[in-house]
Amino acid sequence: EAQVTQNPRYLITVTGKKLTVTCSQNMNHEYMSWYRQDPGLGLRQIYYSMNVEVTDKGDVPEGYKVSRKEKRNFPLILESPSPNQTSLYFCASSLRFQNTEAFFGQGTRLTVV
Amino acid sequence: EDKVVQSPLSLVVHEGDTVTLNCSYEVTNFRSLLWYKQEKKAPTFLFMLTSSGIEKKSGRLSSILDKKELFSILNITATQTGDSAVYLCAVPGGTSYGKLTFGQGTILTVHP
Repeated sequence: EAQVTQNPRYLITVTGKKLTVTCSQNMNHEYMSWYRQDPGLGLRQIYYSMNVEVTDKGDVPEGYKVSRKEKRNFPLILESPSPNQTSLYFCASSLRFQNTEAFFGQGTRLTVV
Repeated sequence: EDKVVQSPLSLVVHEGDTVTLNCSYEVTNFRSLLWYKQEKKAPTFLFMLTSSGIEKKSGRLSSILDKKELFSILNITATQTGDSAVYLCAVPGGTSYGKLTFGQGTILTVHP
């Protein structure tokens, strides 16, 4: 089944404790991206990747890191999480960037205390 | 700065009503606009619009793009409770080629 898989689905952590949210897609998509969703603000793009080893900042990259060493995986790293990073996170992939629909993972609900 | 603005932000209707959701954009190098539906989980794709004036239709949902006035509308006719969701529009491109800018979303609630 074609899908985007995120893990974990729920995570509660403490301020400053490094964490990684994994994202994997099995559709051989070139484009992958991360978003955070906060009430009233819609989805805001954190980072995106046009292909392996090609990543760039979205609108809200501060406090996050990404890597794209393989086509299927695009992990999101929070080196030192803070409470303002409490949010719902989505990973998405699409065949290419322009003119194709994005497929979203099921989301990761992160709480930083 | 790239901007995508949706209106209204929320809407409450009764089953059978027709609704129109709006999405306006200011994005350089515009090529397409996408609509998604989000029901308490991951957004799911509805439509992709690239050409002005050509209606895309799927059942009771339809959408159209106006590239001159820089907006799109999503229409839902004969609404059902299952249409209750957040509707998101998104525009790829803009100031950075790989960016995807979403609007704030419209929360639609359909009462029986």
